[in-house]
Amino acid sequence: GAGVSQTPSNKVTEKGKYVELRCDPISGHTALYWYRQSLGQGPEFLIYFQGTGAADDSGLPNDRFFAVRPEGSVSTLKIQRTERGDSAVYLCASGTSGADTQYFGPGTRLTVL
Amino acid sequence: SQQGEEDPQALSIQEGENATMNCSYKTSINNLQWYRQNSGRGLVHLILIRSNEREKHSGRLRVTLDTSKKSSSLLITASRAADTASYFCAPRYNNTDMRFGAGTRLTVKP
Repeated sequence: GAGVSQTPSNKVTEKGKYVELRCDPISGHTALYWYRQSLGQGPEFLIYFQGTGAADDSGLPNDRFFAVRPEGSVSTLKIQRTERGDSAVYLCASGTSGADTQYFGPGTRLTVL
Repeated sequence: SQQGEEDPQALSIQEGENATMNCSYKTSINNLQWYRQNSGRGLVHLILIRSNEREKHSGRLRVTLDTSKKSSSLLITASRAADTASYFCAPRYNNTDMRFGAGTRLTVKP
């Protein structure tokens, strides 16, 4: 079956612009995670959804970052007033509820010029 | 939330040798998972070991879990150049978020 997909695969934007990154989880998965990863670092947790609600958004670095999952499937990560330091690979993962295996998408590489 | 810490940070071996990576964590778990990442893209799930298990095998992978020491190890036997990647552990407890450490960067030289 289809895995987790993320669009776009690459996004180049200018400092100060707004961007949206999309994640399509595996059908039926209630848990959805967003991470960002800088070169040479491990994935940094951003936010975790169970269904439509954010169960834990403690990883969002500041109020420029926001994520939604209105129907409990597709999620969008929104970044306002982008900064050069936001450049990273943004990873999405989904899974069934509980603590079982998470399946990762290929990521979106965001470059802020 | 839980976060695993992998050790060593980097490991370089020759093809055919075994590679051992360790993970430590701090609180109780339901299970612990190991993931592999190539080229900074999506992580791939390798193996899950539950808290009531002590050892698990999958092909050339062997994972051990010591809940009394709050540690796990991943052994890759007869390594191949294609095993070159970063390896991460993820200790899990119920419906909690999943966080990663910096990982172990494994290089297998042909």
